[in-house]
Amino acid sequence: GEDVEQSLFLSVREGDSSVINCTYTDSSSTYLYWYKQEPGAGLQLLTYIFSNMDMKQDQRLTVLLNKKDKHLSLRIADTQTGDSAIYFCAESFAGTYKYIFGTGTRLKVLA
Amino acid sequence: ETGVTQTPRHLVMGMTNKKSLKCEQHLGHNAMYWYKQSAKKPLELMFVYNFKEQTENNSVPSRFSPECPNSSHLFLHLHTLQPEDSALYLCASSQDLRAEETQYFGPGTRLLVL
Repeated sequence: GEDVEQSLFLSVREGDSSVINCTYTDSSSTYLYWYKQEPGAGLQLLTYIFSNMDMKQDQRLTVLLNKKDKHLSLRIADTQTGDSAIYFCAESFAGTYKYIFGTGTRLKVLA
Repeated sequence: ETGVTQTPRHLVMGMTNKKSLKCEQHLGHNAMYWYKQSAKKPLELMFVYNFKEQTENNSVPSRFSPECPNSSHLFLHLHTLQPEDSALYLCASSQDLRAEETQYFGPGTRLLVL
């Protein structure tokens, strides 16, 4: 069955780069997403990548997709305290609206 | 602001109460969703509506009753809930049900059942 896994916690120092990882089991996904959830808020779409791409860059965010290893990562350059949040990866599949979400990675940025 | 609003933001209710959660989207989307977010668990899809018609009921107990009067509004009626129903309930919308349509989420209603 479909499964998306993430590590639960990540702690980095302000100004460093953060790399949040995600592994998935179903390689037939069409799109893969990164969402950010700040305390007391809903999920905010950060970026997404089409499954036939290897990389996507958007300002401080870089998404890398390794389809062979079924591995997705989100790199945040120059991490700021405002980046502290829970980050969810998700995948969607052709022919269905269903997203499969990971359990989320809590990023803590230390000043 | 994602264009999806939810009220109330917080709700405490007893197991015998009846309450409703409201979601409104201002994006002109046709599809709306209810998700349940519990601690340390992936988001669980509960219900899906497309053009006001329910297309998904993901084995949700009948104590949760959705209502979609139009494409902009979605309700979740709650009655005789259990303490394990305490969670963050998220509403989302998308243009339609195609996989390439991004889902936009509201801020959620944090529910505590005593």
